[in-house]
Amino acid sequence: GAVVSQHPSWVICKSGTSVKIECRSLDFQATTMFWYRQFPKQSLMLMATSNEGSKATYEQGVEKDKFLINHASLTLSTLTVTSAHPEDSSFYICSATDSVTDTQYFGPGTRLTVL
Amino acid sequence: DAKTTQPNSMESNEEEPVHLPCNHSTISGTDYIHWYRQLPSQGPEYVIHGLTSNVNNRMASLAIAEDRKSSTLILHRATLRDAAVYYCILRDGRNDYKLSFGAGTTVTVRA
Repeated sequence: GAVVSQHPSWVICKSGTSVKIECRSLDFQATTMFWYRQFPKQSLMLMATSNEGSKATYEQGVEKDKFLINHASLTLSTLTVTSAHPEDSSFYICSATDSVTDTQYFGPGTRLTVL
Repeated sequence: DAKTTQPNSMESNEEEPVHLPCNHSTISGTDYIHWYRQLPSQGPEYVIHGLTSNVNNRMASLAIAEDRKSSTLILHRATLRDAAVYYCILRDGRNDYKLSFGAGTTVTVRA
């Protein structure tokens, strides 16, 4: 199947700093990517839809000024957690849609720990 | 969004088939049925999807009821590596591929 990568796979940061997570589709182009968050023992929660060349669409309750999304190319979307706090510690997962196969592929996830 | 209902958990023995049910009684005509699975500390992995007809691939089979109000994911011979949370998700074929995850079914495979 198609491959989606994320970088970094894990990150530890101090409270108040910003963290950038990259999501790349490696063998297909994706006009749409998605960002999810998953807390321990819970299911994935959709945070936002990342659209190449336009603004991201955020789900209700997700602060767009705190979770900055940039989708500058057909293979790369970035999520920046600004002024991170301990409650932002979570497993962040991106996905990209391969429109040729009508399938959404997920990245391996990024474990963020804010001290 | 149309909802799905899955059992919280299922157990299976290694090398035996596993049948994972999913109810989606409010499914609309444009909803595709998608299955993903997630191993601990990993992103979800695509398993299979279908619209009306049964589907087979190297990982699993998807059996869709004639009225489309339920479906069953079939793992033909479970291995220890199949232990995961399995999600049944409906996706509206008219929208931007947005997926809404429920709680899924936790599958345990006994050696």
